[in-house]
This record gives sequence, structure tokens and C-alpha cells, in this order.
Amino acid sequence: GESVGLHLPTLSVQEGDNSIINCAYSNSASDYFIWYKQESGKGPQFIIDIRSNMDKRQGQRVTVLLNKTVKHLSLQIAATQPGDSAVYFCAETPPSNNDMRFGAGTRLTVKP
Amino acid sequence: DTAVSQTPKYLVTQMGNDKSIKCEQNLGHDTMYWYKQDSKKFLKIMFSYNNKELIINETVPNRFSPKSPDKAHLNLHINSLELGDSAVYFCASSQMGLPNQPQHFGDGTRLSIL
Repeated sequence: GESVGLHLPTLSVQEGDNSIINCAYSNSASDYFIWYKQESGKGPQFIIDIRSNMDKRQGQRVTVLLNKTVKHLSLQIAATQPGDSAVYFCAETPPSNNDMRFGAGTRLTVKP
Repeated sequence: DTAVSQTPKYLVTQMGNDKSIKCEQNLGHDTMYWYKQDSKKFLKIMFSYNNKELIINETVPNRFSPKSPDKAHLNLHINSLELGDSAVYFCASSQMGLPNQPQHFGDGTRLSIL
């Protein structure tokens, strides 16, 4: 399953499928990007980050891709599980400070 | 051992009242933040403090006043509460410097104005 931009705030996938959540960021000067996961009643939780000198970074079951040319960020979740159901936010940070700005978020629902 | 803790978790009060939300972090970070999350889940930064000094102050009404007694605490005081202040408020912290580091969030304070 795949979400597109900020105009599709929900993504529903079958358990075991791969998920792709997309984000278009706004500041071409941003050099640090983070994906957060927010579960119901909780604060945003760090998943993975990437700096602008990279275009791909992998974690456990998650991969972040960065395309600076089109200011696009994506989060890929492999073998999506029910526990992955949450709202996912991308965030961008400009150089030299920690003035982080969040995208609108995508709600991921995993169907058993 | 909660890294960023906020109190209270829920706050229900009447319009016109004054209330405070407290935040503490035990991560040793030098920068703390307040964010507001609206009903559509949009997260917007309100304030940022570095070593007790204000470094980010977005366009928020001056009824909102942050107070940082030390670098481990950043409290948010709100005067004359209005219906539009109903939201979830998140505190966060990070270590300033290069390279940038992620911010760590508390679990939020849900403020409901009657």
C-alpha cells in the first residue's frame, strides 16, 4: 500500500504487506529529516532519521528514502504488523538549529 | 523512567480560567519545546527554550507564557483560556548542536475548554 503526498491522510494495508508512506517537505535548505510514529494517546515516537548527505537509510523493518531534487521523503515498512497502526509524521529541520517542522501526518491502518 | 513527562495528562476547565502545564525531562538535554496538536493531528511548534532562554517564539497569543526555571523544566502557563485553546499540548526536548539530533516527546496534555 502507498500514500501520496499530504492529500491522502489515510493508508490501509493488509497485515504482512509492505507499506509506503510519502511526504513532501517544503524547505530546500532542510538538511535533517525524521519520521515519527504516534499511537493513540501517546506522543510522537522517533522511528528513523536521515541527513541530507544520504538518500537511503535502513533500520529494522523500516527504510527511509530521501529525494532532495523533488523534496520528497518516504518511509517504507516491511511486513506491516497490526502494531504498526498509528499516525506517521515526517519532520524537517534546517541547518544549525532544531526548528523542526512537521508534515500533516498519515494514518496507517493494518488489517489482520 | 519516563524521559519527558508532562502533567497533567488531562485538563478540563472553563473558558476564562488560567491554567498551567508542567514538563520535565531527565535526558540531560539543553533545549525544550512546546507543540500544539489540533483535532486534525497537525503538530505546530509554539516555543523553544535553550538553556532557559527563549529561541523560538511562533505566532501564539500572548496569553501563552512559557517559563523555564532550569534546563530540565519548561512549563506552559495559559491565561484567559478560550474555546480554541482546546488541543493536545506536547512537550519535547533535544540536545542542541551539530549534527542535529531528534526531539523526544512527552505523552501530551489534553486540554478541553468547556
